[in-house]
Parts: sequence; C-alpha cells; structure tokens
Amino acid sequence: AQTVTQSQPEMSVQEAETVTLSCTYDTSESDYYLFWYKQPPSRQMILVIRQEAYKQQNATENRFSVNFQKAAKSFSLKISDSQLGDAAMYFCAYSNFGNEKLTFGTGTRLTIIP
Amino acid sequence: GAGVSQSPSNKVTEKGKDVELRCDPISGHTALYWYRQSLGQGLEFLIYFQGNSAPDKSGLPSDRFSAERTGGSVSTLTIQRTQQEDSAVYLCASSPLGGLAGGLYNEQFFGPGTRLTVL
Repeated sequence: AQTVTQSQPEMSVQEAETVTLSCTYDTSESDYYLFWYKQPPSRQMILVIRQEAYKQQNATENRFSVNFQKAAKSFSLKISDSQLGDAAMYFCAYSNFGNEKLTFGTGTRLTIIP
Repeated sequence: GAGVSQSPSNKVTEKGKDVELRCDPISGHTALYWYRQSLGQGLEFLIYFQGNSAPDKSGLPSDRFSAERTGGSVSTLTIQRTQQEDSAVYLCASSPLGGLAGGLYNEQFFGPGTRLTVL
C-alpha cells in the first residue's frame, strides 16, 4: 500500500518570504500522480498543484512550485512571496496511475506572519 | 456553475443513533468519492462510485458504514449505530470521469464537508 508522510505539523513564514513544505511517499509503482491540496478554514479542499511521475520537469503554478525527486520519493512544495491568503492546512496526496483513490498525508498547518 | 454541496454542514448525534450525510456532486460528473478526515489526520478514502459500475468500497471501516448513489447523481453516506470514533469531517468529491479515465487526469472537486460529532 502507498503511504504519504508529512513530517512538519506546523510551519510559519513572514509575509512576502518563501517557505518550503516537505512530503515523502512510498510506492512500488512507476506511474503515479502527486498533489498538493490547500484546506482553508472553510474546509473545502483546493488543488494547488499536481505532478505526473513520468515528467522530469517540476510543476509550477504561479507562486507555487514543486521539487520532485522520484528516486528519493520526495515531493516538496515551495511557496514564493507568501501572502496572508496562503494561510491554511496543506496536504500532500498520491494517486496511482489508473487508480482513482487519493492517499493523503497528515497535513502541515501554514501560518503567515504579517 | 455550482460546486459540490454537502448537507448538513454540521451534525451532532448521540452514540448509537443512525445518521445520513448527503452529497450533491457537480452536474455531469460521473465519479463521486467519500473521504473521512479525523481530527489531526489527513483524509482517508472511504468509497468511490463511477457511473454504473460497482462501487469501490475498500475504504469503508466497518459494516456500519454504507453509501448509495441514486440516479448517478446524489449520494448518501449512512452510518449506523454511531460510535464516538466516528466523529470526523466527511468530505465528498466529484470528478468529470474517473480520476484517470482515458489516461488523462480528472481533478476531484471537493465539497465543504459535514462535521459529525458523536456524543
């Protein structure tokens, strides 16, 4: 079975600074997807960014980028120019290629310091 | 258009009672998922519906949990004889097709969840 581990229960960053959230995973599959989701107090999960395992290029979405290290099974999220609206729980998630279920980590609570 | 909606937003019940949680997916989405988020934990997969196929129930924690999806749209998650450990936020998501149908990734869109508290 696949597992996803987030070892940082809480992180904080000064507004406008850069922060990196860590995630490691375990799988025996070669094709899969990795995701970062944001969960604000409203509880609604919002997809931030996704990475296809077969792509070597790291995914980027505006201020959000990932560092995908397939051999190390590491998938970190970098948030540049942090904004107050970035404050939320961030979850790393995994999905097998061809399997619809998402496996989530336990989350990192990100606080933005004004 | 409207997103995924769930009702009720909050539910408080007594131990031993049955509860029903409802999910209205985005119109036209054929895939529907239920997840559970216990306090301080990530989301845990419960069940997955895709069109007319038999649902994937592999994540249901016990036979007290069941779910149905009527007419390929609305879904109801039922918990019988609730226990205190059932207290959690129950999240529903829908997707245009199965998550990886046709080799393409189809994003899961989540609802706001139902917070269940069992006293």
